[in-house]
Amino acid sequence: GNSVTQMEGPVTLSEEAFLTINCTYTATGYPSLFWYVQYPGEGLQLLLKATKADDKGSNKGFEATYRKETTSFHLEKGSVQVSDSAVYFCALEGGSYIPTFGRGTSLIVHP
Amino acid sequence: DVKVTQSSRYLVKRTGEKVFLECVQDMDHENMFWYRQDPGLGLRLIYFSYDVKMKEKGDIPEGYSVSREKKERFSLILESASTNQTSMYLCATWAGTSEKLFFGSGTQLSVL
Repeated sequence: GNSVTQMEGPVTLSEEAFLTINCTYTATGYPSLFWYVQYPGEGLQLLLKATKADDKGSNKGFEATYRKETTSFHLEKGSVQVSDSAVYFCALEGGSYIPTFGRGTSLIVHP
Repeated sequence: DVKVTQSSRYLVKRTGEKVFLECVQDMDHENMFWYRQDPGLGLRLIYFSYDVKMKEKGDIPEGYSVSREKKERFSLILESASTNQTSMYLCATWAGTSEKLFFGSGTQLSVL
């Protein structure tokens, strides 16, 4: 079946540092890939997505590229802010409209 | 924008009680989901529904049931609450046109 593996947290960074959160997946066919973010006290919201190989999703300074050859969708940001502190979830959807989520990675950004 | 409303933000119940968690969406989406979120385990799918009166088990349905009598409302039922059901419960809908999930704010349930 489908599965998503993402790096364990928490990831702790200073403001303006470079961020990478690794995500790899296992799926048959050509799934769509997503990053969702959960700010404290809220539900999840879509951060970015990519629907085919080599697509790059981007939003709010975050980027992730769909790499089929390495089955990866790593999240990156060049300069994090304190307001980026949240839990980040990698997910895939393989055509059944039932997304599969990773376990989430907590990001803590210090001033 | 889509609104997914969960009836309670915090809920405290006693062991053995029957618990209803309500979720209402305002965008006529067909697919609705209930997840539970636990530290270190991420989101786990409990039940989902493709349409009115239709339901399918997810990965962890034991101890739960659901009801979808109207398209906009999807209820999660704990028939006899137990302490291991203490968790954050998240409702979501799937928007096929934009291909993404919309989540409610969650219900933090504590079973004592």
